[in-house]
Amino acid sequence: QVQLVESGGGVVQPGGSLKISCAASGFTFRSFGIHWVRQAPGKGLEWVAFIRYDGSTQYYADSVKGRLILSRDNSKNTVSLEMTTLKVEDTAVYFCARDPAPSGTYGYLQYWGQGTFVIVSS
Amino acid sequence: SSDLTQDPAVSVALGQTVRITCQGDSLTSYSANWYQKKPGQAPILLIYGETSRPSGIPERFSGSRSGDRASLNIDGAQAEDEADYYCNSRDRRANFVIFGGGTRLTIL
Repeated sequence: QVQLVESGGGVVQPGGSLKISCAASGFTFRSFGIHWVRQAPGKGLEWVAFIRYDGSTQYYADSVKGRLILSRDNSKNTVSLEMTTLKVEDTAVYFCARDPAPSGTYGYLQYWGQGTFVIVSS
Repeated sequence: SSDLTQDPAVSVALGQTVRITCQGDSLTSYSANWYQKKPGQAPILLIYGETSRPSGIPERFSGSRSGDRASLNIDGAQAEDEADYYCNSRDRRANFVIFGGGTRLTIL
């Protein structure tokens, strides 16, 4: 069955960097786009970023544009989200989720991981 | 702020029907989708393409749309349906995908 497992969360100081990852299994990874969505404590879901099936194009939310870099390694079935210049307001559980299509055509997130918690605090 | 607007909270008596709504300009161009989120758990896709239900989702969950407003219906709400519900769609503007602010459903 489809599995997505996030890792790499932890505590980082404001202005610092952190790389979180999503390991996929149970499907043909190279055929599907992958999203990241976050949920800050007590807040709603916020879409963060999307990468197409072949890694050729990434899309970012305005709130993180210029500070996050999304990449994927189809040989290792992993997606990585490198976060730089982190702010206190980036504190959240970060979920990776699989799109039903290669390029995000339909806009829904079909399968989700359990999330990894990123805390930005001094 | 979100470009998809949801009521922050809704309540329903056990076994009754409840409608959760989502409004936004993007819904006139793109389909609405719905998710259930419980504390400490991953979100679950309930409805995609406005009306389609993934396998394993109970039939009491259904979706519809009229103009710029989409709705999630729960017909005969159960105690386990107490959760936060989010709509989402593709975005007409800057962001690729957007989510509504969420609706907390309480079962009375």
